[in-house]
Amino acid sequence: TQLLEQSPQFLSIQEGENLTVYCNSSSVFSSLQWYRQEPGEGPVLLVTVVTGGEVKKLKRLTFQFGDARKDSSLHITAAQPGDTGLYLCAGARPNDYKLSFGAGTTVTVRA
Amino acid sequence: DTGVSQNPRHKITKRGQNVTFRCDPISEHNRLYWYRQTLGQGPEFLTYFQNEAQLEKSRLLSDRFSAERPKGSFSTLEIQRTEQGDSAMYLCASSSWVLAGGPQGTQYFGPGTRLLVL
Repeated sequence: TQLLEQSPQFLSIQEGENLTVYCNSSSVFSSLQWYRQEPGEGPVLLVTVVTGGEVKKLKRLTFQFGDARKDSSLHITAAQPGDTGLYLCAGARPNDYKLSFGAGTTVTVRA
Repeated sequence: DTGVSQNPRHKITKRGQNVTFRCDPISEHNRLYWYRQTLGQGPEFLTYFQNEAQLEKSRLLSDRFSAERPKGSFSTLEIQRTEQGDSAMYLCASSSWVLAGGPQGTQYFGPGTRLLVL
C-alpha cells in the first residue's frame, strides 16, 4: 500500500485545456515535493511546499498544500505539449528524511 | 552547481554478475539517497547517508546490495549476484540541511542508471 495516492493515473488532454492532478494521503507530511520525469531520465524538481494551505505558482502551474498537510494538488492552466510527462508527488514525513512517492500521473497534451 | 551525476547511465548484465553504480551529489550537499524505480511506479527508497554514515536502509535492500560513501562525497551502490528482478532504474538524490525557515531536505535527483539483467 502506497503512502501517497495520485489520481488520475493517466490524463490526455488537448492543448489549451486545463488539468488538475491530485495527491492524497492519510498521513501528515512536513514537506511535499512535485517532480516531473521524462522517459529514461531522473525526476526534476518543480516545487516544494511546506506550510499547510500554501499555494505556489510557477508560470502556468499552481501547487497547493492542504491545510492539514495530508494532500496536495497540481493545476496546469492552458496546457502545452511541452507539459507532457510523468508527474510525481513525494512527501517527507515529520522527523524523516526519505521521500515516499506516489505512483505518478502520466500527462499527455495533444497539439 | 553541476547537479547530481550518475554513471553509468545504462548497464546490461547477465544474471549472476556483479554491478556497481556511482553517484556524485551536488558538492555542498551532505545527504545522499538511493532509490529504485520500476516501470509504472514511483521511486522507492533504498538507503541514505549523512556525510559518510549510512543512517537508514530499506527492507528492499537485500544482503546482495551494499552502498558506501567513504569520504562523504560520492557514493557507490553494488549489487552482487544480480537477478532479473533487479532490473530497474536506480536513482540517486542529494540534499542539504537548511536552517529553520527554508525548505528542509529538498532532494535533487540525478539522471539515473538503468539496469537490465538478462
